[in-house]
Formats: sequence, structure tokens, C-alpha cells
Amino acid sequence: AQSVTQLDSQVPVFEEAPVELRCNYSSSVSVYLFWYVQYPNQGLQLLLKYLSGSTLVKGINGFEAEFNKSQTSFHLRKPSVHISDTAEYFCAVSGKDVQGAQKLVFGQGTRLTINP
Amino acid sequence: NAGVTQTPKFQVLKTGQSMTLQCAQDMNHEYMSWYRQDPGMGLRLIHYSVGAGITDQGEVPNGYNVSRSTTEDFPLRLLSAAPSQTSVYFCASSYWAGSYEQYFGPGTRLTVT
Repeated sequence: AQSVTQLDSQVPVFEEAPVELRCNYSSSVSVYLFWYVQYPNQGLQLLLKYLSGSTLVKGINGFEAEFNKSQTSFHLRKPSVHISDTAEYFCAVSGKDVQGAQKLVFGQGTRLTINP
Repeated sequence: NAGVTQTPKFQVLKTGQSMTLQCAQDMNHEYMSWYRQDPGMGLRLIHYSVGAGITDQGEVPNGYNVSRSTTEDFPLRLLSAAPSQTSVYFCASSYWAGSYEQYFGPGTRLTVT
């Protein structure tokens, strides 16, 4: 069965600084990887996803993520953050469980706080 | 399109009461799911459905019941509410659980006293 670990529960960053949110996953089979963002008091929305092909994936709002199969990682990056990026970010992996059912599993979330 | 809608937005229950959280989508998605969100634990899958008439358990199914009589609706029933079920509940839908984007509803904040 697949699992996801987000290595940082909180990340404080100054405005216009770069940021990296770390995500590691485990799965015995091929997976699809996602990053979702949750703004305060809202549902989740998709930032980007990796299905296959190029390991560098670009998403909305200037975010990108790199899939590293050997390190089973899918870290999210942005070269220069803005106050409006303050939100909670969730890494997720979709794969088959032991019964062969396709499931989406989320990490614990990383709260990104941008300070002026 | 309204997307994924959830009702109610807020609910307070007493221990032992039952209730149904409603979820509907108008995108003709086959896959629907319920998650609960608790601080520091991310989203945990409660139940999911791959199509009308088909449901299955997720990671934390105890105390919850679901049914899927139509493609559009996927209600979540709390059989006998407990304080441990205080949480924010999200419904989501997609074409498939695999490579497709999940569309989330706005959430229901439930407090059990």
C-alpha cells in the first residue's frame, strides 16, 4: 500500500524568498503524484500532478515539483513566494492497494506562512 | 456547473445523535470519496465509490455509512455521533481515482459535544 510523508509540518518564509516543501512517498508499484493547496476555510485545489514523462512538472501560481524515483520524492518548489501563497499544502499519491483498488492517499500537510 | 456541493457547512451534534452529510456533483464523475481532515493528520479517506451502487471502505470507516444510488449523490451517514468524529469533512469527485484531478467540495465542519 502507498503512503506519503511530508517532512515539515510548518514552513515560515519571508516574502520573495524561495521555498521548498518536501514530500516522500512509498509504493511498490507505479504511482501518480499530486500537490494540492488549501487556502484558509476552503476546500483543496490541484496545484500540479506527475503522471509520466518529464520529471519536472510545472503547476499554477509559479509552483513546480520534481519527481525523483530513486529517492521516492516529489518536492514542491517556488523561486519567489508571495503573501498570497500562505496556505496549507498537501502531497498525495495515487496507487493500487493490496486488493487492487485505486486509492488516493494524502500526506499530513505543510503549513506555509509568508512573512513580509 | 456547480461542481461539488456539500451541505450543511456547519453542524453541532450531541453524542449519540445521527445525521447525514450531503454531497452532490454535476460533472458526471464516476469516482466519489469522503475524507476527514484533522490537525496534523492530513486528509484520511473514510469511504469511496467507483460508481453508482458500488462503495468501499477507506482508511477510517468505523462509525460511518455510505450509499451511492445515483452518479450525482454520495451521502455520508454518522450512525451514532462521538466526540472523536469532530472534524472537517470533505467530499471529492473525479473521473477516476488514478490520474485525474480530484474536485473538492467546500467542507462541512462538524462538532460533536
